[in-house]
Amino acid sequence: GAVVSQHPSRVICKSGTSVKIECRSLDFQATTMFWYRQFPKQSLMLMATSNEGSKATYEQGVEKDKFLINHASLTLSTLTVTSAHPEDSSFYICSASLGGRKNIQYFGAGTRLSVL
Amino acid sequence: ILNVEQSPQSLHVQEGDSTNFTCSFPSSNFYALHWYRWETAKSPEALFVMTLNGDEKKKGRISATLNTKEGYSYLYIKGSQPEDSATYLCAHHNTDKLIFGTGTRLQVFP
Repeated sequence: GAVVSQHPSRVICKSGTSVKIECRSLDFQATTMFWYRQFPKQSLMLMATSNEGSKATYEQGVEKDKFLINHASLTLSTLTVTSAHPEDSSFYICSASLGGRKNIQYFGAGTRLSVL
Repeated sequence: ILNVEQSPQSLHVQEGDSTNFTCSFPSSNFYALHWYRWETAKSPEALFVMTLNGDEKKKGRISATLNTKEGYSYLYIKGSQPEDSATYLCAHHNTDKLIFGTGTRLQVFP
């Protein structure tokens, strides 16, 4: 099956620092990658949709200058949380899709970010 | 229904019991309904993608049905095993993105 690798799995950082999270599709080329955020006891909330070589499309209420997304190749997308603050502490998870009507998404294992 | 809703939130069953949970979703702008299985510390794993009203899918002891007219899907697990313990997520494929429910957390006790 399609494998998506996400790193790091956990990161603890000081307030004001930037954190980069990587999402790689290991055995397929992804047409589109997605970034989600999950708060405790809530559903996965889509933050942005990323296509290789083009600017990401952000969902309403997600600050694009705060959450920088780079999709440099068909197998790699990165999310950078800039100048992180405690309220950015959350679970971030990526997925990759081959596209098509069914839009099956293959997920990474997620990153737990804690900002002190 | 405006959002994707799943019930129950959590479920504890004994090994060997059969169980089922519900996913409700908006019936408008329907493309597909996805079910994912998510074990702790692992990646969510796609179980089923259903597109047509009346669809039924099966994978081993797990099966799912779909009613797009009334906006619900059921997931069934026959003869639950401890390894079935996970969170089961459904997602409504609405145009170009997936809208997820909060999941049903299943724990199967030996």
